Parts: sequence; C-alpha cells; structure tokens
Amino acid sequence: RKEVEQDPGPFNVPEGATVAFNCTYSNSASQSFFWYRQDCRKEPKLLMSVYSSGNEDGRFTAQLNRASQYISLLIRDSKLSDSATYLCVVNFGNEKLTFGTGTRLTIIP
Amino acid sequence: EPEVTQTPSHQVTQMGQEVILRCVPISNHLYFYWYRQILGQKVEFLVSFYNNEISEKSEIFDDQFSVERPDGSNFTLKIRSTKLEDSAMYFCASSEIGSVTGELFFGEGSRLTVL
Repeated sequence: RKEVEQDPGPFNVPEGATVAFNCTYSNSASQSFFWYRQDCRKEPKLLMSVYSSGNEDGRFTAQLNRASQYISLLIRDSKLSDSATYLCVVNFGNEKLTFGTGTRLTIIP
Repeated sequence: EPEVTQTPSHQVTQMGQEVILRCVPISNHLYFYWYRQILGQKVEFLVSFYNNEISEKSEIFDDQFSVERPDGSNFTLKIRSTKLEDSAMYFCASSEIGSVTGELFFGEGSRLTVL
C-alpha cells in the first residue's frame, strides 16, 4: 500500500522561530515529492518540490532521504502568514498524487 | 494570473440525486484531475484525465462517478446517485506537464453536502 504519513500537530510556534516537519512514505520506488500548503477551507497550493540534493526557497528548505524514505521541511524566521496546514505529497510514478494528512502550524505573535 | 475555476461553490442535494460539478482548467494545460477532501481528512485522488480519456482512477471512483470534457474548456465530474458519504469538498486541478514532475493548480473547490 502506498501511504504518506505525517504528524498532524498542531505545532504552535512563536513568530521568528524555526520549525521543522517530517513526513515518511511507504514505497521506495516513489518518483517525486512535494510540499503543498493548505489554508483553512482553501485549496492546496504548491509550496515547493523536493529534490534529492535538497533545495531551498527563501526561508524554506526541503530535504529528501531516499534511504530512510522521509522528507522534511524547515521554515526559518517564521511569520504569522506561515500559519497553515502543510501537506506532504508523493507521486508514486503515475498521474496521481498521494497526500499526507497534513501538519497544522500556527505561528503565535 | 490564470486560475482553475469551479462551479458551484456549494451544492446541497438529497441522497440519490445526480450532481454535476463543473471546472474550467487553465487553458494551455493538458492534464486534468479531480480530488476530494472529506471534512477533517486528507486530500484523496479520484481521477486523472489526459488526451480525452481517463489515465488513472482510484477505488473511490466507482461506477457512480464519471468525468467528461464536453468542449474545449469545461471538465465535469458527475455523481449519478449521491450517497451521504459523498459529502466532501471536491477539488478540480490541472497541470501543463502532469503530476510526476509538474505543479498541479487547484481550483477553490465545490463543497457538496448530501442530506
């Protein structure tokens, strides 16, 4: 069975802090990996793709560990606007994305 | 900025009724999808559509569900005889190059409530 597992949280973090989420996936043959963001009652939006070598986009850093089958997302200098649910998403090699349950993050002023 | 649009934003229906949810994908995109999210649960894949046919479908997408691209712009999801457990937010998405390497753009969703 192809699954994606995440800690649902919630994570309550003070503004300016660094926060990290992890995600594990079940199938070693997985093709591609993403972090999506979902605001309350809104649609998912791509935050960043996750590459084997790790990648950074401003305050966000994503890393992939294929051997251990996990993906991480690090948010530095967190802002109030970072409050959202972060969805770990895996493509297992077809036209289908498999979503984790999401990790809920609240940034506290 | 181009976007995926969905109608209706909310539909309430009686169990057993047929429902059609409509989507207008981004115009130069070639891959189309329906996902759903039951309240408080994860986003689940229903179906993908490419080159005028279904390319992938999930166990959820049984004979009660169908998709159609009736013209060059619309992409519809039909549920023939709705059940209580079909109550969910239904998201349409489109992609230029597919979900293995490409970004999916989601619409704002159609909330379906089955009574």
